[in-house]
Amino acid sequence: AQTVTQSQPEMSVQEAETVTLSCTYDTSESDYYLFWYKQPPSRQMILVIRQEAYKQQNATENRFSVNFQKAAKSFSLKISDSQLGDAAMYFCAYRSTNAGGTSYGKLTFGQGTILTVHP
Amino acid sequence: GAGVSQSPSNKVTEKGKDVELRCDPISGHTALYWYRQSLGQGLEFLIYFQGNSAPDKSGLPSDRFSAERTGGSVSTLTIQRTQQEDSAVYLCASSRRTGGYGYTFGSGTRLTVV
Repeated sequence: AQTVTQSQPEMSVQEAETVTLSCTYDTSESDYYLFWYKQPPSRQMILVIRQEAYKQQNATENRFSVNFQKAAKSFSLKISDSQLGDAAMYFCAYRSTNAGGTSYGKLTFGQGTILTVHP
Repeated sequence: GAGVSQSPSNKVTEKGKDVELRCDPISGHTALYWYRQSLGQGLEFLIYFQGNSAPDKSGLPSDRFSAERTGGSVSTLTIQRTQQEDSAVYLCASSRRTGGYGYTFGSGTRLTVV
């Protein structure tokens, strides 16, 4: 079974600065998807960025980018030019691409990192 | 609809009562997922539907939990004889059948068992 670990329960950053959130995972599969989700107080999970494991190029979405290290099974999220609206809980998640596996179709989440942005 | 709709938004129930939580997915999304988020915790997978069938219900914590989906659309998660440990936010998500791009989540139902 896959596991996802976020070792930072809480992080803080000054507005306009850069912060990196860590995520490691464990899997025996060679192809999979990785995601970062943001959960503001409204509770709705919002997709921030995704990465396909077969792609070596790191995904970027505006101020958000990832550092995907497949061999190390590491998937960190970098937020540049942090804004007050970035304050939320962030979850790293894994999804199998193995349609025949029992894990197919579900996301496995880490425990989350609460990000505080100071003005 | 435009997004995933869950109702009720909040539910307070007495221990031992049954509750039903509803999820209305995005139109055309054939896959539907239920997750549970306990206070300060990550999301725990409960059950997954593809159409009206549930290929993976491995996350249901006990036989007090059940879910169904009808017409390939609305899903209901039922918790019988609720216990205090059932208190959590229950999140629903939907995706296209072949979606590998993540899901669209609803805003969840916060269940409080008193």
